[in-house]
This record gives sequence, structure tokens and C-alpha cells, in this order.
Amino acid sequence: QSALTQPASVSGSPGQSITISCIGTSSDVGNYDYVSWYQQHPGKAPRLMIYEVTNRPSGVSNRFSGSKSGNTASLTISGLQAEDEADYYCSSFTSDRALVVFGGGTTLTVL
Amino acid sequence: QVQLQESGPGLVKASETLSLTCTVSGGSISTYYWSWIRQPPGKGLEWIGYIYYTGSTKYNPSLKSRVIISGDTSKKEFSLKLSSVTAADTAVYYCASLSGNSYGLDYWGQGTLVTVSS
Repeated sequence: QSALTQPASVSGSPGQSITISCIGTSSDVGNYDYVSWYQQHPGKAPRLMIYEVTNRPSGVSNRFSGSKSGNTASLTISGLQAEDEADYYCSSFTSDRALVVFGGGTTLTVL
Repeated sequence: QVQLQESGPGLVKASETLSLTCTVSGGSISTYYWSWIRQPPGKGLEWIGYIYYTGSTKYNPSLKSRVIISGDTSKKEFSLKLSSVTAADTAVYYCASLSGNSYGLDYWGQGTLVTVSS
């Protein structure tokens, strides 16, 4: 069981927007703005898409955005494209003995 | 641009020790917390631990009794040793750079599959 809870799958049509949630606790998401999101295509390494809840690394499309409310962080992808079809993972700093915790991952299907 | 490359045996026998090395290029060894993450086939990511250039380490409590992460700053390498492996340790193992400012994993190696055989 992962420390952070994500939906197993989401889907959307090209051009639409989708949101992936990441539910944590007051030990991680709720108390720290150190939430990151990663995109992983099959057979590839994860790629950092969002860090510190809302920031995008250089080279990441502005169609990707992050937010947080209470113990729940969210990743929104607008203007869905076929290339966005991938697995997405959230992570957070945690004050528990582990430094970094991950969500279980969400598979995005572009219909 | 930081680049990371994992190396090591792809097959380890049960009860033995898994050993992997990550070679860093294109960046300063003192900038990041150098981390190991693994991903069992078809499953999610699990953070294993990190080493800082000072030699300080931190491990996932669920693996702490079996893990040692060490580093050689002169070679820009860091290593993972996981002892007493079982089939549950079969996974793709990634090395990555963890930012101490954002706690994001900025750069990743391509990953290496390690299979534990009985």
C-alpha cells in the first residue's frame, strides 16, 4: 500500500482537461509544499513534470499544472494530447522516517 | 545537464546481495542527494534511500536493515547494496538526483532490471 493515494486510472479525449488527485496526510502533503509529479512512459524512466506543488522544470509544457488543498495535491493536464498517455506518480517530502513517499501511480488514457 | 547511468548484474540469486553502481556526469556531486528508487514489474515507485556528498545517508525504514548506500566522490559514483534478497526485490532499479531545495527527483538514470532467481 502506497503512502499517497492516487486513482488507478483516468481518461480523457484529445483537447480535454483531466485532473489527477494525490491524497496524503498532515505528515506529508498537508504540511509541506514539496509535492512533485512524474510522467512515465512504458519502458522509460520517470520524468519530473512538477515540483514544489506548482513549479514546472524547464522544457515542460504549460499544459501541465499543479495545485494543493489541504492534504490533497492535484495535477491538471489541459489540452490533452496523445503523447500525454502515460503513468503519472506524485511524491512528497514526509516528516515520517522515510524522506520521500510516492503515490501508487495513475494510468492516463487518451481516448 | 546531469546524466546518470546504472550498472551491475541483472541476475542475483536469492539470499545473496544485490550490488549496483551509478555513475554521474555533467554535474556537481555536491549539488544533490544521490538517490536510489526501484519499481517492481507492473508496479509503482519505491524510494530506497540517498547519500549526500558528505557521506550522510538516509534510508526507507522498510528496507533500512538490508540497505547500504555508499559513494566515491572522486569517481562521481555511488552504489547500492541490498542484502538477503528475495523474489520481492526483483525490480527496475533507478538512480536519480534528489534536490535538497524542492525534494524533487530532477534527473534519472535509464534504470536497470535486476531479477532475483531461486
